[in-house]
Amino acid sequence: KAGVTQTPRYLIKTRGQQVTLSCSPISGHRSVSWYQQTPGQGLQFLFEYFSETQRNKGNFPGRFSGRQFSNSRSEMNVSTLELGDSALYLCASSLGTGSNTGELFFGEGSRLTVL
Amino acid sequence: DQQVKQNSPSLSVQEGRISILNCDYTNSMFDYFLWYKKYPAEGPTFLISISSIKDKNEDGRFTVFLNKSAKHLSLHIVPSQPGDSAVYFCSRSYGQNFVFGPGTRLSVLP
Repeated sequence: KAGVTQTPRYLIKTRGQQVTLSCSPISGHRSVSWYQQTPGQGLQFLFEYFSETQRNKGNFPGRFSGRQFSNSRSEMNVSTLELGDSALYLCASSLGTGSNTGELFFGEGSRLTVL
Repeated sequence: DQQVKQNSPSLSVQEGRISILNCDYTNSMFDYFLWYKKYPAEGPTFLISISSIKDKNEDGRFTVFLNKSAKHLSLHIVPSQPGDSAVYFCSRSYGQNFVFGPGTRLSVLP
């Protein structure tokens, strides 16, 4: 079955602009979570959505927001971009209920560069 | 508060030898620890996990050891291959909460 799809793969924005990233999870997966990866910081958790509701939230400012649609597809938005927002943004999907190994399935990421 | 620590940012190992990647944690509440591997320009992929009730899990060349009293786990790769060169992330899962370490970059030299 198809994996997690993220679009766009690469984008360049300037400070002050806003950006929307999209994620289509694996079919049947109802949980979508977002992570920011920067050099030396590993994967920083942004938020997690399950059945269109934000279930968990990381420690990021309110400029970072997200939503999930009824088909489980998710978008995240970053407003008033800052240079420090340059990062790889990763989306991960999972069943979201119970726990087998707790494995997450990641997309290839959206590489955001803020100039 | 860095709940999952990987204190070695990088590790170089000769091909055919053992690679040992370490991970320490502070929060004793967890269901599983998972290891993910990440190549450049790709998303992380699941490698191996260990549940809270076990102290060892093995899958081919990969073995994870869990020492709950020391709050420490390690991933052993034997023998190491050049294709193992990647960034390895240690992750703690508790219910639907996941926390990742900063990663260790493994370089396997031919």
